[in-house]
Amino acid sequence: EVQLVESGGGLIMPGGSLRLSCAASGFTFTNAWMAWVRQGPGKGLEWVGRIKSKTHGGTTDYAAPVKGRIVISRDDSRNAVYLQINDLKVEDTALYYCATEGYSFGYHALDIWGQGAMVTVAS
Amino acid sequence: QSALTQPASVSGSPGQSITISCTGTSGDIGTYNYVSWYQHHPGKAPKLILYAVSNRPSGVSNRFSGSKSGNTASLTISGLQADDEADYYCSSYTISSTVVFGGGAKLTVL
Repeated sequence: EVQLVESGGGLIMPGGSLRLSCAASGFTFTNAWMAWVRQGPGKGLEWVGRIKSKTHGGTTDYAAPVKGRIVISRDDSRNAVYLQINDLKVEDTALYYCATEGYSFGYHALDIWGQGAMVTVAS
Repeated sequence: QSALTQPASVSGSPGQSITISCTGTSGDIGTYNYVSWYQHHPGKAPKLILYAVSNRPSGVSNRFSGSKSGNTASLTISGLQADDEADYYCSSYTISSTVVFGGGAKLTVL
């Protein structure tokens, strides 16, 4: 079964850091570009960033609003992708999804999604 | 990169057709045919329903169709059903090598 499972969410104080994990199964993870998407309370979906497959250089791209505060990494030996968020702000409160980008169909379509991990930033 | 512009809400009766627009710029929709659409029921993971403007993944109903003209993409749902009630998001690849979403459109089936 194709599956993405996020973990590591929780309640964090402003200024803190958090690392989310996403475990993949059921597909060839090493070939997948992996993205993170978030949805704040009452808000729409927001693409946060991606990491390409090692075949494509394993490089990262980040959305402008979070660039400089987040790091996306991957461990192909564990079929896992990670999202590190530093200097957390209240506006980072959101449900964070990991997803494959372009894996099944190309065209940067986000085709496999996890169920999300909730991050709450509050004092 | 600003979010793509979608109407906040659309509605229609069962059996009718509705269209949701998604307006971007020459930096995203206007340059690439990399427009996707997602259906999002609250509490569930978003589901890809169209990619590359008008292509449906296997298993997605042919009641969902897409098109693009200039900087604007559109999603049409024909033969509305109660289960179509959900939030719909468009997305596009951008010249900055990022992906940008629309603000989302809430579809209400009357």
